[in-house]
Amino acid sequence: EVRLVESGGGFLQPGGSVRLACAATGFTFRNYWMHWVRQVPGKGLEWVSRVNTDENGGTYADSVKGRFTVSRDNARNTLYLQMNGLRVEDTAVYYCARNHPKTGDSFDFWGQGTLVIVSS
Amino acid sequence: AIQLTQSPSSLSASVGDRVTITCRASHDIRRLLAWYQQKPGKAPDLLIYEASILQAGVSSRFGGSGFGTDFTLTISSLQPEDFATYYCQQFKTYPVTFGGGTKVEIK
Repeated sequence: EVRLVESGGGFLQPGGSVRLACAATGFTFRNYWMHWVRQVPGKGLEWVSRVNTDENGGTYADSVKGRFTVSRDNARNTLYLQMNGLRVEDTAVYYCARNHPKTGDSFDFWGQGTLVIVSS
Repeated sequence: AIQLTQSPSSLSASVGDRVTITCRASHDIRRLLAWYQQKPGKAPDLLIYEASILQAGVSSRFGGSGFGTDFTLTISSLQPEDFATYYCQQFKTYPVTFGGGTKVEIK
């Protein structure tokens, strides 16, 4: 059974940093591109970042470029999102999601999400 | 970025109704569109990818169609478990983008 479990969210101050993690089980993690998608509570979905299979090469939304860094540890089956220079508008539930194996960048499995609140 | 406009933003329907949600893209995205269902407090679930291909395990009462800029999600006979918010998503170009959502409520 595919399972994605995020952790690391919490209450942070503007300008602060946090690293989110997403532990993957039930599939061969190293074979899949992985994504982060966020959702302001009560609002819509926003794609944040993607990482390729080889632990290098992240792609980012303009809203987080230069502040967030996506990475992965294929030996530990874990995806990360390092978030620096946090802003109030980064407040959201952050989901990790697996890239669909049969098509382009749609998401066939999602974690339950971790809430990041940025406030002074 | 490619913008996706969903309509309606919300609708009320009864169990057994046929429901149609539309998604219009600001540029041609071929068939590179997915549909998701999200229930309160839960992550989205993939329903359809490449505009019309049903994701494994998803009920056949869900159907998708469209090509280019205009797409449709149809629920043939609404069931109690289908009351949720539905999102379209394009993956033709980066950044991938989502529609604003359609909330399906009980009439």
